[in-house]
Amino acid sequence: TQLLEQSPQFLSIQEGENLTVYCNSSSVFSSLQWYRQEPGEGPVLLVTVVTGGEVKKLKRLTFQFGDARKDSSLHITAAQPGDTGLYLCAGAQTSGSRLTFGEGTQLTVNP
Amino acid sequence: NAGVTQTPKFQVLKTGQSMTLQCAQDMNHEYMSWYRQDPGMGLRLIHYSVGAGITDQGEVPNGYNVSRSTTEDFPLRLLSAAPSQTSVYFCASSRARLDRAGKLFFGSGTQLSVL
Repeated sequence: TQLLEQSPQFLSIQEGENLTVYCNSSSVFSSLQWYRQEPGEGPVLLVTVVTGGEVKKLKRLTFQFGDARKDSSLHITAAQPGDTGLYLCAGAQTSGSRLTFGEGTQLTVNP
Repeated sequence: NAGVTQTPKFQVLKTGQSMTLQCAQDMNHEYMSWYRQDPGMGLRLIHYSVGAGITDQGEVPNGYNVSRSTTEDFPLRLLSAAPSQTSVYFCASSRARLDRAGKLFFGSGTQLSVL
């Protein structure tokens, strides 16, 4: 079983601060996805990274896929209360039929 | 746009009871899956299907059955509920392979409590 470890598990910051969430594995993944989940709802996809070393930006969010395709990071600049939520990374196996999820990072941005 | 619809939203069972969690999608997605979400453990794959008539086990399949008779529906059956099955269950579907352009569309979940 391929495992993904996310850190930190909990993060509480003030509005305007920057933060980084990490997603690490000893296994290689074909692609890495990041989801955001709000209470009472299912996760919603933010981004997919496919190529080792790839960097994608989504407004204030920057996603990076490690060169070896074993790890990824999510960096948020100038966090806002609307960024509050559970952030999940998920790695796709080469078979294309499974996603392995990390444990999640609960982010709280205080006004 | 309905997307992925799960019913019921909440359910309380007694140990030993059986029930079916319903999942339907209207996006003509071939891939469908069931996950359970427990605190501190992320989402764990129970069963998945790559098309009608095809199902396979995920990480935690014990105590659950699935079938896929149509493209639209993918019900999850609990044969004899146990307190360890208390969790939030999510159904998800995808148009394409998950290692390429595929992304999961999730339902809003079913909160199940087994007493």
